[in-house]
Amino acid sequence: GDSVTQMEGPVTLSEEAFLTINCTYTATGYPSLFWYVQYPGEGLQLLLKATKADDKGSNKGFEATYRKETTSFHLEKGSVQVSDSAVYFCALSDPGDGGFKTIFGAGTRLFVKA
Amino acid sequence: DTEVTQTPKHLVMGMTNKKSLKCEQHMGHRAMYWYKQKAKKPPELMFVYSYEKLSINESVPSRFSPECPNSSLLNLHLHALQPEDSALYLCASSQGQGVGTEAFFGQGTRLTVV
Repeated sequence: GDSVTQMEGPVTLSEEAFLTINCTYTATGYPSLFWYVQYPGEGLQLLLKATKADDKGSNKGFEATYRKETTSFHLEKGSVQVSDSAVYFCALSDPGDGGFKTIFGAGTRLFVKA
Repeated sequence: DTEVTQTPKHLVMGMTNKKSLKCEQHMGHRAMYWYKQKAKKPPELMFVYSYEKLSINESVPSRFSPECPNSSLLNLHLHALQPEDSALYLCASSQGQGVGTEAFFGQGTRLTVV
């Protein structure tokens, strides 16, 4: 079945550091890929998405590129802020699976120190 | 309005109680979801409603009973729960099952079973 693997956390960075969170996937069809963010005590918010190979999703300084050849969708940000501290989930939905199921990775907790 | 509203935000219930969680969206979305999230884990899909009909039940125990009274409302009826059912229950909605369709999440109901 479909699955998402993302790097274990927690990740601790100083403010203005470069962030990379790795994400790889397996899917039977041609999935859409997402990054969701969950701030403490809240639900999940969509951060960015990509629907086809070589698409780059971007939002709030975060970027991720859909790499079909490496089945990856790594999240990057050039300069993190304390307010970026949260849990980040890589996810996919597979139209071949009906498109209703969102498969989440385990989540990566990010701490940013001032 | 891009919100999914869940009530209550917190709920403590005994193992013999009956309670209900409520979810509402006014984005015209035709798919609505219940997820369960344990601490430091990703959300796990429980139920999917599409056009007010139950389309996916992820083998959830019958002590959880979903209901979709209309296209804007989703309920989760709880009865005879166990302490291990304590978790954050998230409601989500989406436009449907198209490519790249993302889910919009509520802030969740934090449920404690005593």
